Amino acid sequence: AQKVTQAQTEISVVEKEDVTLDCVYETRDTTYYLFWYKQPPSGELVFLIRRNSFDEQNEISGRYSWNFQKSTSSFNFTITASQVVDSAVYFCALSARSNYQLIWGAGTKLIIKP
Amino acid sequence: NAGVTQTPKFQVLKTGQSMTLQCAQDMNHEYMSWYRQDPGMGLRLIHYSVGAGITDQGEVPNGYNVSRSTTEDFPLRLLSAAPSQTSVYFCASSRTSGRGGLDNEQFFGPGTRLTVL
Repeated sequence: AQKVTQAQTEISVVEKEDVTLDCVYETRDTTYYLFWYKQPPSGELVFLIRRNSFDEQNEISGRYSWNFQKSTSSFNFTITASQVVDSAVYFCALSARSNYQLIWGAGTKLIIKP
Repeated sequence: NAGVTQTPKFQVLKTGQSMTLQCAQDMNHEYMSWYRQDPGMGLRLIHYSVGAGITDQGEVPNGYNVSRSTTEDFPLRLLSAAPSQTSVYFCASSRTSGRGGLDNEQFFGPGTRLTVL
């Protein structure tokens, strides 16, 4: 069985602070794919990143960075110098190679105060 | 390129009524899926399809039917609406590599907000 846990229900920070969103996953598959999506207040779902289980390189894209650690089954997301426009719900999701189902965490609501 | 389209955007039903949520994509994606999103929860997979003529159940399939007669369309049918089906429904599509698993990003429609009274 697959499971994704986002233990932080809501995080509130002041603009320009750095913030890390945690994601812990469970799967018995050795090949799997991890995703982060953003859902702004307008409601659409926006793809941020995909990571394969065999690629443990961390990734940076502008103010966003992702830390993938197989040893702790975690795929954490950090926003550096947060901005009000980063306010959204962020979801982590997992797909194992053995099936075609994408399992989602409950999401973390991020509030950036000006 | 319209991407993934869903109709209607909003719908109110009475308990026991049936209806079909429409979903279409113009990206020639093999994989399509339906999710529901309830407050405080992530998306939960209802049904999915890996190609025309092939469908399978996700985590929460009860009360819903799907069919996939073409690559483009993947309608979701509510057989007899219940208040527990009040939710926001998202349709999504993606390419698949054929190696197994969902190894590409999914493209989402704008969602349908359904209320069952």
